[in-house]
Parts: sequence; structure tokens; C-alpha cells
Amino acid sequence: DAGITQSPRHKVTETGTPVTLRCHQTENHRYMYWYRQDPGHGLRLIHYSYGVKDTDKGEVSDGYSVSRSKTEDFLLTLESATSSQTSVYFCAIRGLANNEQFFGPGTRLTVL
Amino acid sequence: DQQVKQNSPSLSVQEGRISILNCDYTNSMFDYFLWYKKYPAEGPTFLISISSIKDKNEDGRFTVFLNKSAKHLSLHIVPSQPGDSAVYFCAASPNYGGATNKLIFGTGTLLAVQP
Repeated sequence: DAGITQSPRHKVTETGTPVTLRCHQTENHRYMYWYRQDPGHGLRLIHYSYGVKDTDKGEVSDGYSVSRSKTEDFLLTLESATSSQTSVYFCAIRGLANNEQFFGPGTRLTVL
Repeated sequence: DQQVKQNSPSLSVQEGRISILNCDYTNSMFDYFLWYKKYPAEGPTFLISISSIKDKNEDGRFTVFLNKSAKHLSLHIVPSQPGDSAVYFCAASPNYGGATNKLIFGTGTLLAVQP
């Protein structure tokens, strides 16, 4: 158990509304990541963080922003949700050894 | 452009037999490879990894083989058990131990182990 929680676990929202997903870790890890999982695409990196206030874009960052004001929390915001952002979102942390990443339980987001 | 490919969307195997899951990659800069297992409604869990300086890594029933010249890796599960039924993702990293450790994932293979 890597001590990662995500909230909410499920959310249904409407097109055009802002949505914030939260990832919380208890392990004090420096690196945190947000992915989305879609059929036929596997997991794709949205944004990642390499420290407090240090973030960068992944391969599918359009329409998303992130913030990390504390080591333990990494927030993902959909500024104006669209139906194409309906997905399952996973947060991950990088382990201390090698390149393994450990994932949270996921948030299922539906945008109507 | 899919840099990590899992060409078999699904695989069905009898309990006790060997399961072989395959993964191909296109980027020669990848130097670390991982396999993840995912059950429905859960996050992916790390299974086993291999660095490009090796061609085999074994952990219990799980063995990963890497063929760098063919840009191919495979996961062998022996013997397969019904609890192994899950989606398996292959992932690759272009900078082992590097600052960002971005992982590129394949599309996954659904393994069904029949009792």
C-alpha cells in the first residue's frame, strides 16, 4: 500500500463546469503524476510534478491544469469539462527505488 | 503514434498452463520496462520490471524477457492461476533514474485464466 488516496472516487458533472480531482499521499514522495485511462489508449500522462510548485505537461495536457502547494497533495483541474474528458483518472507517485510508479484507486469522471 | 504496443487485446489460458503476454516498442531510447496488472475498479499495481542492461528478470511465477534488437518484451506467468485474470499493461521509460521518469503505456491485454 503506497498510501495514495483519490477523491472523489466517482463524479458526474455537466459540460462547461469546472472540476477538481484530488490526490493525497502519505509517503512524502517528491514525484507525482496524473494519468487518464481510456479504452484503446492505455494510460496517458496528463501532468506531473517534481516538487512543490514544480509541475510540467504530459502528452494529453490540453484542457487540464494542476497545482501542488504541499508535498502530499496534487490537484487536477478541468477548467471547463467536456464530454471528451469522460474517463478514469489515476494519480501515481514514484517509488524511491528504480522507476516504479504506484497508483491510487482512480476517479471515474462522467461529463454529460 | 503508439510507441508501446500490445497487439493482443485479449488472451485466454487454462489454469496451470503458461501465459505469455507480448509488448513491442519503437523508441530505442527506452531503457527501463515495467509490467502492471489491473483489476476492474482498482488502480494498476506494479508487477515486475527490467532494465535494458538485462535480458531476463524473474520474480516467483513471473518472468520478463527483453529482446533489445527486436524491441520486444514478454511477460511469462507460470503456472497461471484464476487470480491472474486481469488487464496487463506494459510500460517503458526513456530515462532510467532520470528526473521525470515518464512512463509510456501500452493499450493493455486482458488475460482470462480458465479454471
